[in-house]
Amino acid sequence: EVQLVESGGGLVQPGGSLRLSCAASGLTFSDHYMDWVRQPPGTGPEWVGRIRSTARGSTTAYAASVKGRFTISRDDSKNSLYLQMSSLKTEDTAVYYCARELPDNSGFYFFDSWGQGTLVTVSS
Amino acid sequence: DIQMTQSPSSLSASVGDSVTITCRASQGINNHLAWFQQKPGKAPKSLIYAVSSLQSGVPSKFSGSGSGTDFTLTISSLQPEDFATYYCQQYTAYPLNFGGGTKVEIK
Repeated sequence: EVQLVESGGGLVQPGGSLRLSCAASGLTFSDHYMDWVRQPPGTGPEWVGRIRSTARGSTTAYAASVKGRFTISRDDSKNSLYLQMSSLKTEDTAVYYCARELPDNSGFYFFDSWGQGTLVTVSS
Repeated sequence: DIQMTQSPSSLSASVGDSVTITCRASQGINNHLAWFQQKPGKAPKSLIYAVSSLQSGVPSKFSGSGSGTDFTLTISSLQPEDFATYYCQQYTAYPLNFGGGTKVEIK
């Protein structure tokens, strides 16, 4: 069974930085595309960004709202995914989920498994 | 960006009813359409991908259909555990946008 466990959330001041982690088990982590998805209070999910598998060069893609401020990385030796967040804004307040992607028959990737989430609150 | 619009935003139904939720994309998404269920305080749960393929372990009471820009999720014989918020999401192009959600409430 795939398990994804996020950690690192908390209260941070505007302009500050925070690093989230996602520990994965029950899967060959290096094989998979991994994403961060966030959900502000009372609203729907919002995709943050993706990191492709090691075989695909661990390349990344980001939502426009976080590009240049957030960085996704992975350490396959530790089965871990990371989200480095800097220049945080109040509108970054959300529950942050990591999610695994799998390819469909056309080779496009869909969300398959989700962690339980970690809350990030940006406030002075 | 591809915008995903769900309707209705909420609906009330009774146990045993069937309900249908609609999701419209602002442009064609090549059937790269997924559905998720979310209960309060919990992570989203993946239900369907590629319009109509059920995720492992998801009961057949959930079904998806559609093509092009218009898609539907049907839930048959609603049970208490099905009352939740449902989201559609396109995965054909960045950003991977979600719909605004449909809250299914008990009548």
